[in-house]
Amino acid sequence: IVVTQSPATLSVSPGERATLSCRASQSISSNLAWYQQKPGQAPRLLIYAASTRATGIPARFSGSGSGTEFTLTISSLQSEDFAVYYCLQYNNWPPDYTFGQGTKLEIK
Amino acid sequence: VQLVESGGGLVQPGGSLRLSCAASGFTFNTYWMYWVRQAPGKGLEWVSHINGEGSFSTYADSVKGRFTVSRDNAKNTLYLQMNSLSVEDTAVYYCARDIMGADVVVVPAFWGQGALVTVSS
Repeated sequence: IVVTQSPATLSVSPGERATLSCRASQSISSNLAWYQQKPGQAPRLLIYAASTRATGIPARFSGSGSGTEFTLTISSLQSEDFAVYYCLQYNNWPPDYTFGQGTKLEIK
Repeated sequence: VQLVESGGGLVQPGGSLRLSCAASGFTFNTYWMYWVRQAPGKGLEWVSHINGEGSFSTYADSVKGRFTVSRDNAKNTLYLQMNSLSVEDTAVYYCARDIMGADVVVVPAFWGQGALVTVSS
């Protein structure tokens, strides 16, 4: 399964909404997760099962979608949200995990 | 939850290296564990994962037949044995714990800080 993220780079002003997309080459039901990674740090899980926020993740992060089209929305960007975001499709059987190539969210 | 990788370093092409990941703060033998890598300046790539008992594991095609994941539940430690290394294996290697316990597999949720493996002559 190929996973494609868009756009590669997104420029948004603080306080505005950011919408990131992830498309799978075939249906993956709701088996999609989103991660945030800042320079020099390990990835941080934000969303799994397409729309479930991980523990401690602020409510401004939301995920939606199913099948092949998915979206991560950050409702009001804070300074700490500027980072690279990856989606991950996961198929538990047969085991198959594929990350998207990432979207860099930068300050406009 | 704490995960600390060790064993990274410089190795020549064709060589071998074993990474370790010491886990603490949770019941290690009830969680699936993962290895994920990131080449310099590149994205994330799933490498392998293993069930809580250590009886089932899977691998990315890029490492199948060369890498072996294992775990010692008595020592709360995850391992990745890497053989026949090539320059394309140069990356930071992260170990990670699944979000679910009870030996249910979902996604990696808690990550270590990574170990750098450099394959170069």
